[in-house]
Amino acid sequence: GENVEQHPSTLSVQEGDSAVIKCTYSDSASNYFPWYKQELGKRPQLIIDIRSNVGEKKDQRIAVTLNKTAKHFSLHITETQPEDSAVYFCAQGGYNKLIFGAGTRLAVHP
Amino acid sequence: NAGVTQTPKFQVLKTGQSMTLQCAQDMNHNSMYWYRQDPGMGLRLIYYSASEGTTDKGEVPNGYNVSRLNKREFSLRLESAAPSQTSVYFCASSVLDREYEQYFGPGTRLTVT
Repeated sequence: GENVEQHPSTLSVQEGDSAVIKCTYSDSASNYFPWYKQELGKRPQLIIDIRSNVGEKKDQRIAVTLNKTAKHFSLHITETQPEDSAVYFCAQGGYNKLIFGAGTRLAVHP
Repeated sequence: NAGVTQTPKFQVLKTGQSMTLQCAQDMNHNSMYWYRQDPGMGLRLIYYSASEGTTDKGEVPNGYNVSRLNKREFSLRLESAAPSQTSVYFCASSVLDREYEQYFGPGTRLTVT
């Protein structure tokens, strides 16, 4: 069945360092690979997504890469700031729904 | 616009009791979703409705039923609550065929004792 594995489950970095979160998916027919950010006590919010026909996408300090052959995609955050501290979820999309990974808790220390 | 709203925000049930979680959106979205969020397990899809008049099972549908009342409203019902259903429940909506861009409600924290 559809499955998304996400690593690591927790990540701690110093302010200004980079953070990388990786996901592996199972369904080769998936079309979309979004990333959501959930701050403590808040609802998840979309921060960036990548389509299956694109290898990389950037938006200021965040970037996503997709390797369709290996069925994995990654979120890169550069120059991390304390406000980047949150839980990040990757997902695979298609067939009118999303399947989420288990999440990565990112802590950015000043 | 209120976006996606959910009621109630908190609820405590005893085992065996029933209840309905309500969700409404005012963004004219076709698709709506129900998730549960448990520590370390991410967001798991319970049921979804790609468009008004259709509903489909997600990853963890057992113990739940849904009703797409109209385009705006999508309710989730627990017929006989169990402690394993203690969780935070999120409703979300999206434009049809843009399921990657979902808008979430504030969540309902449910405890079953």
